[in-house]
Amino acid sequence: NAGVTQTPKFRVLKTGQSMTLLCAQDMNHEYMYWYRQDPGMGLRLIHYSVGEGTTAKGEVPDGYNVSRLKKQNFLLGLESAAPSQTSVYFCASTSTGLYVHFGDGTRLSIL
Amino acid sequence: GQQLNQSPQSMFIQEGEDVSMNCTSSSIFNTWLWYKQDPGEGPVLLIALYKAGELTSNGRLTAQFGITRKDSFLNISASIPSDVGIYFCAGRGSSGGSNYKLTFGKGTLLTVNP
Repeated sequence: NAGVTQTPKFRVLKTGQSMTLLCAQDMNHEYMYWYRQDPGMGLRLIHYSVGEGTTAKGEVPDGYNVSRLKKQNFLLGLESAAPSQTSVYFCASTSTGLYVHFGDGTRLSIL
Repeated sequence: GQQLNQSPQSMFIQEGEDVSMNCTSSSIFNTWLWYKQDPGEGPVLLIALYKAGELTSNGRLTAQFGITRKDSFLNISASIPSDVGIYFCAGRGSSGGSNYKLTFGKGTLLTVNP
């Protein structure tokens, strides 16, 4: 049982480059989330989805876009990466909003 | 938006000591959750609290949902080296779209000296 799988695990980008982070869950969860974690800031919600085909903005959505074309996948896109987006990104999913399962994170550095 | 104040930010303790950390909020939450994050991994749920006043234990961990629904604490008794990590509180909102979202505290970094 894989749970929540994030790819890639590590990535280094140059300022202005674009990339997509992939999150996949095999638990048939309705709700999926993207968080970023920065030192001393805890986990901040970027975007979330309450079901296939739906997305909504979280606490820090600027500079990111998301898509939920399939129930099991939630993609996070950076159109033009900036150094301020250097962070650890976590995807999470849940069926009830209570027991939220997290992936192991993607460590992204932007030079 | 909703914000959680978690304290302390960090703790350095000796093995065997008890630990206490808490979270407070200006908003009411329907659910309080406590997570632990080990280095290089995602947070893992430790304890979930569903109603005001609830006191729940999970082994050496005990957590309580405050009566006002605006606070929660987590206690760890007889700490061991593997308790090292970052502990996060999280609250789930009480209405509308906030039902689907968790608001996280900034975390408490726990270091246990053997």
